[in-house]
Amino acid sequence: EAGVVQSPRYKIIEKKQPVAFWCNPISGHNTLYWYLQNLGQGPELLIRYENEEAVDDSQLPKDRFSAERLKGVDSTLKIQPAELGDSAVYLCASSPGQGSSTYEQYFGPGTRLTVT
Amino acid sequence: AQKVTQAQTEISVVEKEDVTLDCVYETRDTTYYLFWYKQPPSGELVFLIRRNSFDEQNEISGRYSWNFQKSTSSFNFTITASQVVDSAVYFCALSEAVDNFNKFYFGSGTKLNVKP
Repeated sequence: EAGVVQSPRYKIIEKKQPVAFWCNPISGHNTLYWYLQNLGQGPELLIRYENEEAVDDSQLPKDRFSAERLKGVDSTLKIQPAELGDSAVYLCASSPGQGSSTYEQYFGPGTRLTVT
Repeated sequence: AQKVTQAQTEISVVEKEDVTLDCVYETRDTTYYLFWYKQPPSGELVFLIRRNSFDEQNEISGRYSWNFQKSTSSFNFTITASQVVDSAVYFCALSEAVDNFNKFYFGSGTKLNVKP
């Protein structure tokens, strides 16, 4: 079974430029998460989807961040414009449960973003 | 306040030593879930275990064991006879219900260095 796929793995951009990350969850997983992980810290949730509905986006900086999950499968996270402080690893995860985070999450390899 | 506290930032042991990683959590829920994840240098978080709040039985899986104690709000992880391949950052996480859906909280992680 294929795991969570993310691309790109690495991205270097200049500040004020836009950037997008893509995630393909494990087949059949209804719940999809985007996390931000700063160096030396644990993942912090940005947004959670149940199918195509964003059920928790309270931690998403909506002035510059946006996300979508069309058709309830793949998802895209966008930052526009990027700031220096956005440099981090962006993780995507999926889980088989719907309507609950009680199920374990399966993580992708992440996208390491560097903003210069 | 931190929902999940991993007080040990970094631990170094010599191969074959036993090592315990501490995790203390905070919640008012009676139903919650606890998790441990491993993040090797490659970066991908790997699910290790999930426990629910009603099951305080300790669990053993090979060289790994987990000690869940509700009385002290702790969910500690022990690796017996550590190996170099165990070197990674280990995260403890808590899932609890907030506003009719579950939120997921990660600790800041404990970096384990196993030296040959």
